[in-house]
Amino acid sequence: GAVVSQHPSRVICKSGTSVKIECRSLDFQATTMFWYRQFPKQSLMLMATSNEGSKATYEQGVEKDKFLINHASLTLSTLTVTSAHPEDSSFYICSASHTSSYNEQFFGPGTRLTVL
Amino acid sequence: QQPVQSPQAVILREGEDAVINCSSSKALYSVHWYRQKHGEAPVFLMILLKGGEQKGHEKISASFNEKKQQSSLYLTASQLSYSGTYFCGTTSGTYKYIFGTGTRLKVLA
Repeated sequence: GAVVSQHPSRVICKSGTSVKIECRSLDFQATTMFWYRQFPKQSLMLMATSNEGSKATYEQGVEKDKFLINHASLTLSTLTVTSAHPEDSSFYICSASHTSSYNEQFFGPGTRLTVL
Repeated sequence: QQPVQSPQAVILREGEDAVINCSSSKALYSVHWYRQKHGEAPVFLMILLKGGEQKGHEKISASFNEKKQQSSLYLTASQLSYSGTYFCGTTSGTYKYIFGTGTRLKVLA
């Protein structure tokens, strides 16, 4: 159990376009979902915390208007990179937990975004 | 205030042991250890919640010294499958993870 999926797994887009990434918890209800960004050979950096039915909480330095997060249900959160630029190219990973607690987070397989 | 891991990288022969350390400048409530293969998502190894707690998972174990704000991951009799990048994920009063700087481990046959 505790499977998290992401779609798409890989996306290439032109500069200036918007890209939507979906994160789904397949066999459990995720009260909280997290979005991370990982540049090559670096650690995972938390971008935002997403709670179902409420606004996402963004980390310092992450632009809310550029990275739109929607947590429409207990099994789905989406991240939209608006007006993407080459510097947004990265590996985006979501995770989900059963509750807003210190429990294990279950990670999705990640989405590789390349902006040309 | 990203936790610092040491060493940054380590190369082992199959069967050798390794220790990876995670040190935080903030008080820690929990420490989570993950292993990530290239191009893949992190895979959960274990969580430590209490100061001084130790846990084991086959030949991989960890300790958590709450007072020192440190955790260590112990890999014994390493196998080829242990290769990857290890991250500690820490929480400090909230449920948000802050991941450490990472340790790249390569096990050679």
